[in-house]
Amino acid sequence: AQRVTQPEKLLSVFKGAPVELKCNYSYSGSPELFWYVQYSRQRLQLLLRHISRESIKGFTADLNKGETSFHLKKPFAQEEDSAMYYCALIHGNDMRFGAGTRLTVKP
Amino acid sequence: GAGVSQSPRYKVAKRGQDVALRCDPISGHVSLFWYQQALGQGPEFLTYFQNEAQLDKSGLPSDRFFAERPEGSVSTLKIQRTQQEDSAVYLCASSRDLWTAEGHTDTQYFGPGTRLTVL
Repeated sequence: AQRVTQPEKLLSVFKGAPVELKCNYSYSGSPELFWYVQYSRQRLQLLLRHISRESIKGFTADLNKGETSFHLKKPFAQEEDSAMYYCALIHGNDMRFGAGTRLTVKP
Repeated sequence: GAGVSQSPRYKVAKRGQDVALRCDPISGHVSLFWYQQALGQGPEFLTYFQNEAQLDKSGLPSDRFFAERPEGSVSTLKIQRTQQEDSAVYLCASSRDLWTAEGHTDTQYFGPGTRLTVL
């Protein structure tokens, strides 16, 4: 079955440390992948998508079709990056979210 | 401009009651989505509208769930005879463009959600 897996429910790093939020997917096809973020008391919002190949707020994500992964990375985490992060996949009419990773960046 | 709004923000229902959740999408947005987010989980797709047409309702968990968007703007998600397992946050999202056969790649803008608790 099609699935998006975020293996870490919680991730804690210190300010200035690198951070990587993992996302793996199982899908036979060419899906489009996204990262969504939800800051405290705010609504879910798009952070970035793989087709854009952009860096948003210092975050990047590379689609690795061989490993079926779309990990989110930032070289130097900031306290304001603390939030829930969801990996999401869309292919045709199929849209799925991972269970999310709560990132805490400690001062 | 205003974003997606949802009402009520919180709803407590006794088991067996019917509830109606409202979504006001961004003006002019063609596509509207409903999601269910259980505690500790990511959003799960429920249904999709293109204007007033409900093109995909494959995610609705049972026939107690019904959604409509009669004039292609405001949408209502109705849950009949609520059960405790219906307790969740219900999210609405809208986007400007259509969901095509190639997939929906337009940015979805989410509302704040309605937290439904069924006692």
